[in-house]
Amino acid sequence: KAGVTQTPRYLIKTRGQQVTLSCSPISGHRSVSWYQQTPGQGLQFLFEYFSETQRNKGNFPGRFSGRQFSNSRSEMNVSTLELGDSALYLCASSWTGTGDEQFFGPGTRLTVL
Amino acid sequence: GIQVEQSPPDLILQEGANSTLRCNFSDSVNNLQWFHQNPWGQLINLFYIPSGTKQNGRLSATTVATERYSLLYISSSQTTDSGVYFCAIRENAGNMLTFGGGTRLMVKP
Repeated sequence: KAGVTQTPRYLIKTRGQQVTLSCSPISGHRSVSWYQQTPGQGLQFLFEYFSETQRNKGNFPGRFSGRQFSNSRSEMNVSTLELGDSALYLCASSWTGTGDEQFFGPGTRLTVL
Repeated sequence: GIQVEQSPPDLILQEGANSTLRCNFSDSVNNLQWFHQNPWGQLINLFYIPSGTKQNGRLSATTVATERYSLLYISSSQTTDSGVYFCAIRENAGNMLTFGGGTRLMVKP
């Protein structure tokens, strides 16, 4: 069974631009969560989607948004990029998202210049 | 929110040595996972262990939920075990995982 996939793997943007990252969950998984990893803040939860609805949201500004499609694939968007948005963005999928095991994709490494 | 602390933050071992990594958490949980982050950044699932003991080859884990800690044991360490080990906790509400700060392990040949 294929794992969680994320595209693109690497991305370089400049301040003020916007970016869209994509995540395809494991087949059959309906919950997709997004995390940001930085050296200073560690791994932090961004948001979770289930059945095309945002179910949980972390403490991030409104520039960070996401959506989920009917096939459970998810995208996250960051608008008006700042230098501090440079990070590894990881997505995770699970069956229902109610405490079951989460599996992570390889991540997208975003660099903002 | 729940606090998750891992110790030690850094660990250097000689190949073949054993080690114990600890994860303390501040509240009751219904999901605890251990991950190994490889050099490319991917989090590899090691254990899903909200309570009890599990073993997988040279690795084993024990979670004592009532005392709010979990231990990850690595026996006969190999250079490929190097990397960062994270424990992550899901609180009773929501599906958010809260991660500890990680233990950076280096195994020398």
